[in-house]
Amino acid sequence: GNSVTQMEGPVTLSEEAFLTINCTYTATGYPSLFWYVQYPGEGLQLLLKATKADDKGSNKGFEATYRKETTSFHLEKGSVQVSDSAVYFCALSVTQGGSEKLVFGKGTKLTVNP
Amino acid sequence: EAGVAQSPRYKIIEKRQSVAFWCNPISGHATLYWYQQILGQGPKLLIQFQNNGVVDDSQLPKDRFSAERLKGVDSTLKIQPAKLEDSAVYLCASSPRLMFAVQYFGPGTRLTVT
Repeated sequence: GNSVTQMEGPVTLSEEAFLTINCTYTATGYPSLFWYVQYPGEGLQLLLKATKADDKGSNKGFEATYRKETTSFHLEKGSVQVSDSAVYFCALSVTQGGSEKLVFGKGTKLTVNP
Repeated sequence: EAGVAQSPRYKIIEKRQSVAFWCNPISGHATLYWYQQILGQGPKLLIQFQNNGVVDDSQLPKDRFSAERLKGVDSTLKIQPAKLEDSAVYLCASSPRLMFAVQYFGPGTRLTVT
């Protein structure tokens, strides 16, 4: 089946530290991959995406590369800020029955301390 | 552009009671989704609409959950009767079309069943 596995949280970092949140997936076919972010009290927002192997998605200093050989889409940021504190969800899209559906990981909570 | 609107934001009910949630998608978005997010897990798709038709409701517990989108715009999700395990955040999302489109999420309704 289709599934996403994220590293367990919570993750606590100091400001300006390097961030990696691991994400691996299992899928039939060729899914698109996404990172969504959920800030406290808000809905999920798309952070970045990649639609094919070796694509790199980037936004707000975050990056992730679609690695088909390792079935991974790890999220990275070189220098985190307090405002990056949120829950991060890795997701893949699967096409079934003529429509596209998202399958999410469990989420990783990030706290950045000043 | 207004985002996805949901109400209420919070709801507390006793088990065996009924509850309804409302969602208004982004204007012009044909596809609407309802997700259930249990604490510590990623969102799980319950039902997907295209205009006023159901595309996928394979994970909707139909003995107690129902949803409609009568005029192809706003939607309601109902639970009757509620169980303790229905305590979760119910997220609504919309997208312009069924395929190759980003989903935009509302802030969610947090349901507590006591």
